[in-house]
Amino acid sequence: DIQMTQSPSSLSASVGDRVTITCRASQSISTYLNWYQQKLGKAPKLLIHGASSLQGGVPLRFSGSGSGTDFTLTLSSLQPEDFATYYCQETYSMHRTFGQGTKVEMK
Amino acid sequence: QLVESGGGLVQPGGSLRLSCAASGFSFSNYGIYWVRQAPGKGLEYVSSISSNGVATYYANSVEGRFTISRDNSKNTVYLQMGSLRAEDVAVYYCAREFQAYGGYVWFDPWGQGTLVTVSS
Repeated sequence: DIQMTQSPSSLSASVGDRVTITCRASQSISTYLNWYQQKLGKAPKLLIHGASSLQGGVPLRFSGSGSGTDFTLTLSSLQPEDFATYYCQETYSMHRTFGQGTKVEMK
Repeated sequence: QLVESGGGLVQPGGSLRLSCAASGFSFSNYGIYWVRQAPGKGLEYVSSISSNGVATYYANSVEGRFTISRDNSKNTVYLQMGSLRAEDVAVYYCAREFQAYGGYVWFDPWGQGTLVTVSS
């Protein structure tokens, strides 16, 4: 099975900060990588698919990059509504494995 | 949209059947996934079924205990869960797998989730 490892597991940031979350796959997955945002008590919401394609309606401050085994989700200027947990997901294998999540908290 | 139901409290070793009812799209054209989230934990793949129901997949942790099926005439996917354990306690979400060009897929939409509690 493909393992997905996110770092950090949590981070503290302030409104306006630039935030970067990393996701590493245990084997090459090309660009078969999605990012989701989950707020407390809610279902995950798709942000980015294909490693770098922004889902419709998602603010432009979100961006994704990477290929192979190393990927990054960047929030260019953190907004109050962005405090949440973020998950990467590989879609190279049928199990569509998720990373363990990165919680973005208010400093 | 997707709406899960069927969660609840069950004793260890017991069974439960979850349902995922779809509306607003051509249900028979899409694969459906079950993903669970234990309290305070991350997202975990559970099971999936192809659009025609022929192909099914399971996580190692549920293989042999859970069975996924679908009824395209009712726009519904089912997850029959058996031999339930404490470690199966979670919110169970169903999600539609959207397939785009080049083999790219993603989960959208998701249901609101249904809570399964295993306790005596």
